[in-house]
Amino acid sequence: GEEVAQTPKHLVRGEGQKAKLYCAPIKGHSYVFWYQQVLKNEFKFLISFQNENVFDETGMPKERFSAKCLPNSPCSLEIQATKLEDSAVYFCASSRGGYTEAFFGQGTRLTVV
Amino acid sequence: DAKTTQPNSMESNEEEPVHLPCNHSTISGTDYIHWYRQLPSQGPEYVIHGLTSNVNNRMASLAIAEDRKSSTLILHRATLRDAAVYYCILSSSYNTDKLIFGTGTRLQVFP
Repeated sequence: GEEVAQTPKHLVRGEGQKAKLYCAPIKGHSYVFWYQQVLKNEFKFLISFQNENVFDETGMPKERFSAKCLPNSPCSLEIQATKLEDSAVYFCASSRGGYTEAFFGQGTRLTVV
Repeated sequence: DAKTTQPNSMESNEEEPVHLPCNHSTISGTDYIHWYRQLPSQGPEYVIHGLTSNVNNRMASLAIAEDRKSSTLILHRATLRDAAVYYCILSSSYNTDKLIFGTGTRLQVFP
């Protein structure tokens, strides 16, 4: 498809529950990125993939966050034992790499209560 | 990661040109300058990017200072749909394509 599809749009979890977010990148794009937007303007890079391989995971809180991009499946970002501070909008983006433009999805709003 | 500095907010009237400034005094020779914008309740959207020369596309123009320590995004005729937060971002050839967002400039456009 010609857009990055993220599901679900909204997710509510109680503290300590697991949250799983999905992202279908644009076909033909080999790079996938996950970003977290906590406050209105503050983005944090989490992780990137080149095809199914982790490319850069320097932003991932490794204790509770994990991510995968498997062939023929949407990419996923999973948060084990969610905390209140995980409440944010999580954006997925994909690109062809080589400093070409990144296309972002509409985001998943995670609310931890 | 090299940082960028932008004004928190700017205002414009419809159909007027808008010049959005960005300072990046610690830019290195391999850093590209990217601009993205985020409309309300949407994901960021690519606007333009460049390395050394000025760039034009259908959305905007990017003017890069000769010393590359600053740049300006130019919207030639602002419309109400251009109201958004505009982010100036540097990415390095050593930086695995990730985008390090700053706090951006919120552009308001008045009819």
